[in-house]
Amino acid sequence: QKEVEQNSGPLSVPEGAIASLNCTYSDRGSQSFFWYRQYSGKSPELIMFIYSNGDKEDGRFTAQLNKASQYVSLLIRDSQPSDSATYLCAVAPFGNEKLTFGTGTRLTIIP
Amino acid sequence: GAGVSQSPRYKVAKRGQDVALRCDPISGHVSLFWYQQALGQGPEFLTYFQNEAQLDKSGLPSDRFFAERPEGSVSTLKIQRTQQEDSAVYLCASSFPGTSGGARTYNEQFFGPGTRLTVL
Repeated sequence: QKEVEQNSGPLSVPEGAIASLNCTYSDRGSQSFFWYRQYSGKSPELIMFIYSNGDKEDGRFTAQLNKASQYVSLLIRDSQPSDSATYLCAVAPFGNEKLTFGTGTRLTIIP
Repeated sequence: GAGVSQSPRYKVAKRGQDVALRCDPISGHVSLFWYQQALGQGPEFLTYFQNEAQLDKSGLPSDRFFAERPEGSVSTLKIQRTQQEDSAVYLCASSFPGTSGGARTYNEQFFGPGTRLTVL
């Protein structure tokens, strides 16, 4: 079992709809949770991070964390074609340490 | 510089050749990470420095891989006797150990553009 699991997709969502991306992790000691966006041929860029159970909202993005279920999700509201990318879920233990990434979910927003 | 830079951006090596990949982190960033990203996969951790100290090298796949950061700034990842399975994008990331609150994002790693290594 991989430490961080994501559906590889592709996930297709109509423009303007809500895109829902999911991630599960196996290490209960994980303390920090990140969502990175990676455009094809580019490097990952951080879009959201969350440490506490519950929801965290930033503009059109909402990250949700449930430590009991070891589950992290990312919601993208009012999806735009520019949101088409691979979304990487990453987890880390407490502190400034290595990230463990999932394989990523490829998201396509259909105009 | 404005961000993390890496060189070369592309490297083609013949099997058995040694290669050296360079990373220039964001000025003042204490932590530096190397990741390997195979096609269609997420990045996989290789090694981590805090200043010049290599605190974790558990992800290096074999003793052919070696990394250094002698002055706590620029880092070099060296791969000896390259094999075809070494073909991947090598990503460098740096971070400044932040504090909660304020404008600085705790533990945010800023990635460089990567070096795409192709071993023939």
